Amino acid sequence: RKEVEQDPGPFNVPEGATVAFNCTYSNSASQSFFWYRQDCRKEPKLLMSVYSSGNEDGRFTAQLNRASQYISLLIRDSKLSDSATYLCVVQGGSEKLVFGKGTKLTVNP
Amino acid sequence: DAGVIQSPRHEVTEMGQEVTLRCKPISGHNSLFWYRQTMMRGLELLIYFNNNVPIDDSGMPEDRFSAKMPNASFSTLKIQPSEPRDSAVYFCASGTGQGGSPLHFGNGTRLTVT
Repeated sequence: RKEVEQDPGPFNVPEGATVAFNCTYSNSASQSFFWYRQDCRKEPKLLMSVYSSGNEDGRFTAQLNRASQYISLLIRDSKLSDSATYLCVVQGGSEKLVFGKGTKLTVNP
Repeated sequence: DAGVIQSPRHEVTEMGQEVTLRCKPISGHNSLFWYRQTMMRGLELLIYFNNNVPIDDSGMPEDRFSAKMPNASFSTLKIQPSEPRDSAVYFCASGTGQGGSPLHFGNGTRLTVT
C-alpha cells in the first residue's frame, strides 16, 4: 500500500462549483498533515495545514480523520484560478514529508 | 527573502555525462531536502539534511546519485553517469527543522538526459 494515496482525477468543474478531494495515508504514526498546491510547471506551494479539529481558510476547508487515516479538502465557490494539482502531504515523526501524487483540478468558465 | 534558489533551471545532457544541480536554502532554515518529480512516480524524497548532516538518504536511487551540503547555505546533487531514466524535475526544499512546519520549494531543475 502506498504511503499516501489520492484520486488522480482529473476533476473538471464549472466556476462556482464545490469540489472535494480525498486522501488516505498508511502510517498511523503520522503527526502532521498538509495540502500543497502545484501549478503547471511550477514548484509545490503550501496551501494549508490540516488540524485534527478541522480548519477553514476562506473558501478552503480541510478535515482530518485519524481513525480512518483520511484527509479531505473542500473548495467552495471555485474560481478559474483554483485550477492546479492538489497534493496531500503527510509528515511522520521526523521532518520527512511524504507527498501523494496529486489530484488535478480544472475549473471551467 | 529570496526563497530557495536552484540552478540551473534547465539542463539537457547526453547519457553518460555528469550532472550537478545546486541549491541555496532560505537563510536560517536548518533542513534541506532534495525531491525528484516524474509523471509516473510523483514527488519522491531522495535525501534530506539537518544542520548540514545527511539524515535519510534511503530515497537515493543508486550509487550514481550523491548529495553534499558543505555549509548551511549550499547543497549539490550530483548524477554520474547520467542516464535517460534520470530525466525529471529535481526540487530542492528547505525548512526550519521543526516538526509540523511546512517546506519551501525552489523553482526546480528540469533535467533531460538524451
